[in-house]
Order: sequence, then structure tokens, then C-alpha cells
Amino acid sequence: EVEVVESGGGLVQPGGSLRLSCEVSGLTVSSKYMSWVRQGPEKGLEWVSVIYSGGNTHYTDSVKGRFTISRDDSKNTLFLQMKSLRVEDTAVYYCVHGIKNAFEFRGQGTLVTISS
Amino acid sequence: QSALTQPASVSASPGQSITISCTGTNSDVGGYHYVSWYQHHPGTVPKLVIYEVMNRPSGVSSRFSGSKSGNTASLTISGLQAEDEAQYYCCSYTDRGTWVFGGGTKLHVL
Repeated sequence: EVEVVESGGGLVQPGGSLRLSCEVSGLTVSSKYMSWVRQGPEKGLEWVSVIYSGGNTHYTDSVKGRFTISRDDSKNTLFLQMKSLRVEDTAVYYCVHGIKNAFEFRGQGTLVTISS
Repeated sequence: QSALTQPASVSASPGQSITISCTGTNSDVGGYHYVSWYQHHPGTVPKLVIYEVMNRPSGVSSRFSGSKSGNTASLTISGLQAEDEAQYYCCSYTDRGTWVFGGGTKLHVL
């Protein structure tokens, strides 16, 4: 059984930084593609970033240069370093793992609120 | 990197069938067989109901089916039940190595 626990969310002022963590059990993060998906208040799901098993990373245009996805294979943990945060980055951030060219949501997400 | 286009809402009565469309481009939906669909009830975590255009994960009802024609993918739910009322999202891989979701469709079961 795959278990995912996201953490690191909180209230930050515009321009601030946060680092989200995603502890995974039941699968090896380095063997799958792992992504962050977010859902803003009263908004739909938005794909944010992916790290493939080979280490390649990609981002949605609105976060390029501000967010960095990474993983620690020794801790089987995924990270999302976020800087220069904007009000529009306010959302619940889900850590999702790749399965059959799709995603599986297991964690409850972590809430990031950007407000002054 | 525009979101895939879905209707904002669809409505139908129990027992009827509905189809939700998801329109993209040659760079995403039309170019790959990697379209997936998610069911999202309020207060819960999104659930994968279709992967690779037409395949159902284990445990998903056979009332859910998927298809694709050109740049448009579709999710069909037959024999609608009250529990099917939810938000539905499509998602596709893109030629940039990224992924993109649709804007979401609210299914109302009358």
C-alpha cells in the first residue's frame, strides 16, 4: 500500500519562500515519475512540476525559475522548493506518483497560503 | 501551456448516460495515448478512473469508459448514480515532457 504524507505548507507573505516535503512509503520515488499538482481556492487541478526517474525535471510556465522539484533517494522523499511566492500560488499542493502514464493521488495535500 | 478545454458542467438523471469532452491540441491529447480522467468529490482526494485514454484501474466501475478522436478525448459514464456527482478532470502528457489538466467539469445528477 502506497502512503504519501505532504508537509511544509503554511502562511507566507508575497515574495517569501517555502519548502514542501513528501514522504513516501510503499514505492521507490526514484523508480517512478513524481509530480506536484495544486488546487487553488475555488479552482481546478493544476499540474505544477514533474521529476522523472532519470532525474529530468519540468515545470508549468507560471512557476519556472521560482520552483524547484527534487528528491532524496536515501529518504524516499520528494521536495518542492518555492521562492518568490505570489498570491496566485495559494493552493493545496498534492504530491502524486506516476502510474500507467497517469497520476495517483494518495496524500491529503498541504495548504500553502500567500497573503500579506 | 493552456489548460485542456472541458465543459463547465453537465447534468443528467439517474440511469442516463453522459459524455464529458476534453479538447487539446496535436501537442498533447492528439499526440499521445496518455490521457487520464479523475473523479473528485469535495473533501476527498482525486481518484483516477481512466488511464491511457480508455483503461480502467482495478476497482473502477465498468460504467466508466474513455475514448479519443483526434484532439478530443471523452469520458462516458453510463447508468448514472447519485454517487457519480462530482468534479471530473482530464489530463494529458505533452510534447514538452510536461502534463496539463483540463479546467474540470461538474457533473450534476438530477
